[in-house]
Amino acid sequence: KQEVTQIPAALSVPEGENLVLNCSFTDSAIYNLQWFRQDPGKGLTSLLLIQSSQREQTSGRLNASLDKSSGRSTLYIAASQPGDSATYLCAVKGDAGGTSYGKLTFGQGTILTVHP
Amino acid sequence: DAGVTQSPTHLIKTRGQQVTLRCSPKSGHDTVSWYQQALGQGPQFIFQYYEEEERQRGNFPDRFSGHQFPNYSSELNVNALLLGDSALYLCASSWGTGINQPQHFGDGTRLSIL
Repeated sequence: KQEVTQIPAALSVPEGENLVLNCSFTDSAIYNLQWFRQDPGKGLTSLLLIQSSQREQTSGRLNASLDKSSGRSTLYIAASQPGDSATYLCAVKGDAGGTSYGKLTFGQGTILTVHP
Repeated sequence: DAGVTQSPTHLIKTRGQQVTLRCSPKSGHDTVSWYQQALGQGPQFIFQYYEEEERQRGNFPDRFSGHQFPNYSSELNVNALLLGDSALYLCASSWGTGINQPQHFGDGTRLSIL
């Protein structure tokens, strides 16, 4: 059974700092990994999707890396801003059973607060 | 370009009642997935619909059922509501069931059980 863990559970940083969010998964037989952002009371906004054959993806100040063999991904946020405050979730699709082709398995998220 | 829309936004029910939640996928999408997100937790996969059939199901009881219509919109039905069913219910859509098709999420329906 695929399990996803995110560390830390919460993070508070001053504006302008670079930061790293961590995600680990137990079954390395994934198709892809996706990072999402969730604002309070809202749905999920997709930030980056990394396919299993890729090592990283970049979008603006965001960079996500994937080490499939070790079951780890990191989301790097450069020059953080108060508007980056949100919950960040990582999700993987796939497992060794090959049956979860449509299902995303999520971590519990990291609550990020960037203060001015 | 309309994104994923869900209705209603909020809903209050009592134990034992039944509820129906609705989802319209993003324009051009034909696959709909439903997730349950309890407070402080990550979303949990309920099921996925494609071509009006349930294609995959998570670890949820039969009280949770769904339907997809010819226009690709979908409903989630929950019978015999329990207090533990209180959660944010999220709908996600994608084009096809391809493994690398990103899922786009709606803002969810907040269901409270009294």
